Amino acid sequence: EIVLTQSPGTLSLSPGERATLSCRASQSVSSSYLAWYQQKPGQAPRLLIYGASSRATGIPDRFSGSGSGTDFTLTISRLEPEDFAVYYCQQYGSSLEPYTFGQGTKLEIK
Amino acid sequence: QVTLKESGPVLVKPTETLTLTCTVSGFSLSNARMGVSWIRQPPGKALEWLAHIFSNDEKSYSTSLKSRLTISKDTSKSQVVLTMTNMDPVDTATYYCARIKYSSGWAFDYWGQGTLVTVSS
Repeated sequence: EIVLTQSPGTLSLSPGERATLSCRASQSVSSSYLAWYQQKPGQAPRLLIYGASSRATGIPDRFSGSGSGTDFTLTISRLEPEDFAVYYCQQYGSSLEPYTFGQGTKLEIK
Repeated sequence: QVTLKESGPVLVKPTETLTLTCTVSGFSLSNARMGVSWIRQPPGKALEWLAHIFSNDEKSYSTSLKSRLTISKDTSKSQVVLTMTNMDPVDTATYYCARIKYSSGWAFDYWGQGTLVTVSS
């Protein structure tokens, strides 16, 4: 099973600042199958990025994804008030355990 | 417009079997490049993938829960059903169904609102 480790656990920033969230895999992940989600309290997750760097429909261009192999990054260029939420990375991989999620990064207002 | 909606009991007793239904609209369960997964989230904790099913009836399960899970679909009713046996209080969680799509790298592009299931006697 591929384990995804997200860091930091909590990130405290102010609106307008740049956020950089990390997702590290225990073994190499195909870039085609790495995704990022945003979850706000009481809501279902929302797909932000798929294929490591492709924005999902309707996602603002301040959200960007990058990385390959075992290290992936979600960047929010200029934080808006509505961006404060929990973010999860997820990979689709082996047939033995197709999907795993990271433990999440909470992005909070400083 | 793609929608998914979970339904099922809000409260189950320990050792009972949970049956959840995901009713989809806006796409067909017979679409070769799509499938449906079940994912859960205990209160205050991270997401955990449980199972998925594709149009060709290919199924896959979480390794840790495989012995307790069964996923099936009724294409004519646009429904995907998940059963989980021998429920325990640690299974208390919000259960989501989500669509998976080949062109999105098999990511979960649409989610249901989720249904909170509490396991308690």
